[in-house]
Amino acid sequence: DVVMTQTPVSLSVSLGGQVSISCRSSQSLVHNNGNTYLSWYLQKPGQSPQLLIYKVSNRFSGISDRFSGSGSGTDFTLKISRVEPDDLGVYYCGQGTQYPNTFGAGTKLELK
Amino acid sequence: QVTLKESGPGILQPSQTLSLTCTFSGFSLSTYGMGVGWIRQPSGKGLEWLANIWWDDDKYYNPSLKNRLTISKDTSNNQAFLKITNVDTADTATYYCARSYSADFDFWGPGTMVTVSS
Repeated sequence: DVVMTQTPVSLSVSLGGQVSISCRSSQSLVHNNGNTYLSWYLQKPGQSPQLLIYKVSNRFSGISDRFSGSGSGTDFTLKISRVEPDDLGVYYCGQGTQYPNTFGAGTKLELK
Repeated sequence: QVTLKESGPGILQPSQTLSLTCTFSGFSLSTYGMGVGWIRQPSGKGLEWLANIWWDDDKYYNPSLKNRLTISKDTSNNQAFLKITNVDTADTATYYCARSYSADFDFWGPGTMVTVSS
């Protein structure tokens, strides 16, 4: 299975600040078809996860441009700029390149 | 508007079979490239992918659950199903179904809590 390692485990940020979350995979996430199926999800307290970013850097419909994804191969980053209260929760990276789909353990974003 | 909603028994006893239903709207599982996945989350823990079913009836399972999983669909009624046999306390979790399109999960249901207890 592809192991997804997220760092840090938790992050404290001031409103309006910027944060980065790292996600590393144990194998390359480049699919045979050339796509890289790395996604980012946010799970707000008491809610189900929601898709933020798909295929490394594509924002899902309705997602603010304050969220940006980057990376390639095995090393990926989610950046959140101008943090707002509604951004707080647990962020997960996930891969769909190879079965079984796997997720990182999550990064909890809290207010400083 | 895409929506999904999970339903399940709430509580069941060890060794029983867990049957979950995902009822969705706003898309069809007969559409090329469309799929539905099941993901679970024990309280306070991370996400574990369980299975996917695709428009062409292709199915994929998490091998960590060995042969305990069966996923199926009823395209006419916009439903997907997951069965987990021989449950134990480790299967206690919130179970989500989610639409799968292009190898991610773009819309999720609110989840259904399942407790396995004697």
